[in-house]
Amino acid sequence: GAGVSQSPSNKVTEKGKDVELRCDPISGHTALYWYRQSLGQGLEFLIYFQGNSAPDKSGLPSDRFSAERTGGSVSTLTIQRTQQEDSAVYLCASSLVGGGARDTQYFGPGTRLTVL
Amino acid sequence: AQKITQTQPGMFVQEKEAVTLDCTYDTSDPSYGLFWYKQPSSGEMIFLIYQGSYDQQNATEGRYSLNFQKARKSANLVISASQLGDSAMYFCAMREALNAGNMLTFGGGTRLMVKP
Repeated sequence: GAGVSQSPSNKVTEKGKDVELRCDPISGHTALYWYRQSLGQGLEFLIYFQGNSAPDKSGLPSDRFSAERTGGSVSTLTIQRTQQEDSAVYLCASSLVGGGARDTQYFGPGTRLTVL
Repeated sequence: AQKITQTQPGMFVQEKEAVTLDCTYDTSDPSYGLFWYKQPSSGEMIFLIYQGSYDQQNATEGRYSLNFQKARKSANLVISASQLGDSAMYFCAMREALNAGNMLTFGGGTRLMVKP
C-alpha cells in the first residue's frame, strides 16, 4: 500500500490479557516508530527501529510492553497482562532514513485499544 | 518543562478567513526540526509542513505557512482561506538532532473548528 497500515483498527480486551498490534510501514522506509495517544498523556513516544540497529526502547512505560520488527519491515507491538491504563490509540509511523533534517515521519491510522 | 507548548486548546475561525495556531518550543540543541500535523476525527496524523532550525525562510506548503521566529522559539502555523475540511486537531512537534532516538516530541494540540 501507499501509506502506513495498522491492524486491527480497534481492539477490545479484558484486563490481564495479552494483545498484539501490527504495523506495516511504507515500502522502502528504514525507520519505524510507535507512539501512544491517550487523553491524559497526549502523544508519547514508545519505541524506534532503524534498520538493523538495536531499537531505542526508552519510551516503553513498563516491561509489559515489547516490540519487534521482522525483516526490517512489519512491526508488532505486544502488551502483556493489559491494564486499564493501557487504553489508548497506538500510532505507528515510518520515515525514509530515520535521521537528517527533513526526515518526515508518516503515520498510520492507529489502533484504538480498550481494556475493560 | 514542556518542550512543545500549544496554548490554544480550541479555536474557531470563519470559513475563508486566515487563522494562526501558536506553538512555542524549548531546546538547547542548535539543530532541530519542527513539524505540524493535522488529525481529523478519523484519527490519522497527516503531515502538513516542516521547518528546519537553519532554514532562512519560513516554510510554505499551499495554504499552510509557518511563522518561524527563532529567537522567540516560536513556530506558528498559519492557515489561509480556511475550509470546512480544516476542522481538526493540529499538533506541533519537534525533533532534536542530539536526540539519538529521532523521536518526535508533541505539543498538546489545538482543536480548530471552521464555521460556515
